[in-house]
Order: sequence, then structure tokens, then C-alpha cells
Amino acid sequence: DMKVTQMPRYLIKRMGENVLLECGQDMSHETMYWYRQDPGLGLQLIYISYDVDSNSEGDIPKGYRVSRKKREHFSLILDSAKTNQTSVYFCASSLSQAANTEVFFGKGTRLTVV
Amino acid sequence: KTQVEQSPQSLVVRQGENCVLQCNYSVTPDNHLRWFKQDTGKGLVSLTVLVDQKDKTSNGRYSATLDKDAKHSTLHITATLLDDTATYICVVGDRGSALGRLHFGAGTQLIVIP
Repeated sequence: DMKVTQMPRYLIKRMGENVLLECGQDMSHETMYWYRQDPGLGLQLIYISYDVDSNSEGDIPKGYRVSRKKREHFSLILDSAKTNQTSVYFCASSLSQAANTEVFFGKGTRLTVV
Repeated sequence: KTQVEQSPQSLVVRQGENCVLQCNYSVTPDNHLRWFKQDTGKGLVSLTVLVDQKDKTSNGRYSATLDKDAKHSTLHITATLLDDTATYICVVGDRGSALGRLHFGAGTQLIVIP
């Protein structure tokens, strides 16, 4: 059963705390993504990873960093969380970026920074 | 500037009725276009992908069209069911390679009532 798993599903953190969002996929996909989704906006790309230790900034990388030490795991790290990082974070993976390659999304992590 | 615009923003239909969702975009190049369904609190699930200059796809009660000259796509849902209640998101891929980016619309919220 092909899937992308995100942990945790819900998280509340205080401003200034560190945050670790985990993502795993069981499809041996090379490409993985972290997005955030805010009301009224389309998903925005934070980081993209093309394989182990091959990561590139997306459109809104400021305040975030990522780690991919194994192909099946991709972590998003917020060092010193800010209230404007309250959002729903989605991880996704795809075999490649070819047009007919399906993109699989996790169920999301709802992060609240207070 | 938003490169993928979806309309309407929200839509209410009665079960059994048909509906049409619109997507206009300015992404260049426009390699492919996907429609996703996002149930409340869940991840995105791919419904269909369109690739050709003028393309049509059909997936059960979902059918979609793409006109790259007009940079316009439609998603038709026939004989709607209560389970069709969700947000439908249009996504344009700007390349077919690993360097490509996905551009997300904000979605159309469809509510199907009995």
C-alpha cells in the first residue's frame, strides 16, 4: 500500500521552541517535498529533495531547514518557531518529476505556534 | 502574483447535479496540469493529469479538459455524491524534469447537499 506518513498530525509549540516534522514514504521515491498550506492560498513549496543529501530551497525556505539522510525519510525543522509559521504542513513524494508521475501527499501536520 | 486562479471559490450543489470547476493559469512553460481532491483535514489525492496541448481525460464521474493555448482547464463532476464534498485543487507543472516546480491554485470548495 503506497503511502506517505507524517508525524505528528497535530502539534502545538511555543514561540522560540524548536520543531521537528517527520515524513516517511514506502515507495522508494527519489523526490520529496515539504509544502505549507494557508487559508486562501495554494500550497507553497518550502523545500524539495531530489535524493539523500540533495536538497534545494523552494519558494519560502526562510525559517526552515530540512534533512534527508535516508531516501524514505524527509524531515522539516523549524529552529526557533515563530507565530507566522502556524500552518498546515504537507509532505509529498514522487518517483520523478515527469508529467505522468503521480505525486503522493501525506495527511498533513497542523502546527500551531503560540 | 498568483499564477493559478480557480473559480468559483466555493460552490454548493444538490446531490445528483453536475458541476464544472475552472482553472486559469499563467505558468510558463506549462508541462502538465493535475487536479487533486482534498477532503477536509486530509492530504491531496490525484484525480487526473493532463499533458497534451488540447487534452481530455475521464476517470469515472470526473472528466477534465486542458487547452494550453488558452491556459485553461475544466473539471467536470457528473451526478455528484455527498462524498464529493471537498476542495478541488488545480496544479500546473512547469517542466517535466526533476527541476520542475508545481504551482498550486487555492482550490474550489465544493459542498454537495442532499
